[in-house]
Amino acid sequence: EVQLVESGGGLVKPGGSLRLSCAASGFGFSGYTMNWVRQAPGDGLEWVSSIRSTSSHVYYADSMKGRFTTSRDNAKNSLYLQMDSLRAEDTAVYYCARTRYTGYTEVIDYWGQGTLVTVSS
Amino acid sequence: QSALTQPASVSGSPGQSITISCTETTSDIDDYNFVSWYQQHPGKAPKLMIYDVSNRPSGVSNRFSASKSGNTASLTISGLRAEDEAVYFCSSYTSSSTCVFGEGTKLTVL
Repeated sequence: EVQLVESGGGLVKPGGSLRLSCAASGFGFSGYTMNWVRQAPGDGLEWVSSIRSTSSHVYYADSMKGRFTTSRDNAKNSLYLQMDSLRAEDTAVYYCARTRYTGYTEVIDYWGQGTLVTVSS
Repeated sequence: QSALTQPASVSGSPGQSITISCTETTSDIDDYNFVSWYQQHPGKAPKLMIYDVSNRPSGVSNRFSASKSGNTASLTISGLRAEDEAVYFCSSYTSSSTCVFGEGTKLTVL
């Protein structure tokens, strides 16, 4: 069974930093592109970042470029999101999600339960 | 504003069918043939319901179907049930390997 378990969320002051982790199990983690997707309270889904299986390419949403850094450790089956210079508008539930290739394109097929990040003074 | 536009809400009675649309509003989507749909209940993670426009993952009810015409994809839920009440998001990838989501449509089962 595919499992994605996020951790590291919490309350942080504006301008502060936080590192999220995602522990993956139940599938060959090293063979999959992984993502971070966030959801502000009462709002929709916003894709944050993705990282290829070998870390060869990392992609970010424009509003996160330069502040967020996505990395992974395939030996530990773990995904990370380092968030710096946090703003109030970064307050959201952050989901770890897996991408698989369908044969035609890519699709996010599994999601963790999310970890809440609150940016407030 | 998302590159994928969805109605904010739809509603239907049990047993009825409803359709949720998802319209591409920019040229950034890389081959808009490959739309996926997610269901999200309050406080829960999204669940993949449809991928590659009309394919259902294993375990998803065949009451859920989807199609595409031009730049608009549609999700249809037939035989509405109370448990279908949720928010539904469409999604696609862009030509720059980023992912976009629609704003979400809240389905109310009357």
